[in-house]
Amino acid sequence: EPEVTQTPSHQVTQMGQEVILRCVPISNHLYFYWYRQILGQKVEFLVSFYNNEISEKSEIFDDQFSVERPDGSNFTLKIRSTKLEDSAMYFCACRGYEQYFGPGTRLTVT
Amino acid sequence: DAKTTQPNSMESNEEEPVHLPCNHSTISGTDYIHWYRQLPSQGPEYVIHGLTSNVNNRMASLAIAEDRKSSTLILHRATLRDAAVYYCILSHTGNQFYFGTGTSLTVIP
Repeated sequence: EPEVTQTPSHQVTQMGQEVILRCVPISNHLYFYWYRQILGQKVEFLVSFYNNEISEKSEIFDDQFSVERPDGSNFTLKIRSTKLEDSAMYFCACRGYEQYFGPGTRLTVT
Repeated sequence: DAKTTQPNSMESNEEEPVHLPCNHSTISGTDYIHWYRQLPSQGPEYVIHGLTSNVNNRMASLAIAEDRKSSTLILHRATLRDAAVYYCILSHTGNQFYFGTGTSLTVIP
C-alpha cells in the first residue's frame, strides 16, 4: 500500500537556525498539507497546497514558514528562523480519497 | 468548520464492540463526517467517513443519526491494536482538518 514518508524522523536544531522538513507524498495525490502537534496537544492545521500554490493557511503559518514542491515528488516545509515554541511533531499529509498522513518529523529546538 | 464534541476517554474489553460517540449539532448540509485515529507516536490514520448514510469498511462502521447531529464510530471487535485517540472531524471540502482533543480509547485485555 502506498504511504507518505517524511525525513528526517527527528531533527534537533538551535534557536534561530533554518530547518527544512521533507515529505514524499503518495504519487498520484494532488493536495498536500502540513500539520503540527506540540507534545500533549491537538493536531493543528498549518497549510494546504494545491497546483503549486498555497490554498489555505492557518494563523500559525506566519512569514517564518514556507512550503515548496521543488520537484515532482518532494514537498517541503521550511522554518526560516526557529523558535523554542516551534518544537513539535510535524506531519505531512496528502489527499486522494481521504487524507493520508506521514509518520511525522519530531523537531526539537534548543 | 463546525465543532464536534467527544468524550475524553473510553474503555473497552478486548474482542467486544466499541461505540465511540460524536456530537455535531451545528453540522451544515455539506459537511462530511470524518473519523481518524492516532496510535501512540504515529501520525493520524484514516478510519472512515460519511455524509448521510451509514458506512462500513474493513476497519469500522459509521452510524449517522437521521438529523446528522451526531454519529457513532463502531469497532466491531476491539483489539489491543485499536488503543488510540479517535477524532471526529467535520469538513465540507476534505481539505484542512481541525482536530479536537478526541476520545482516548483504552482496550483492556
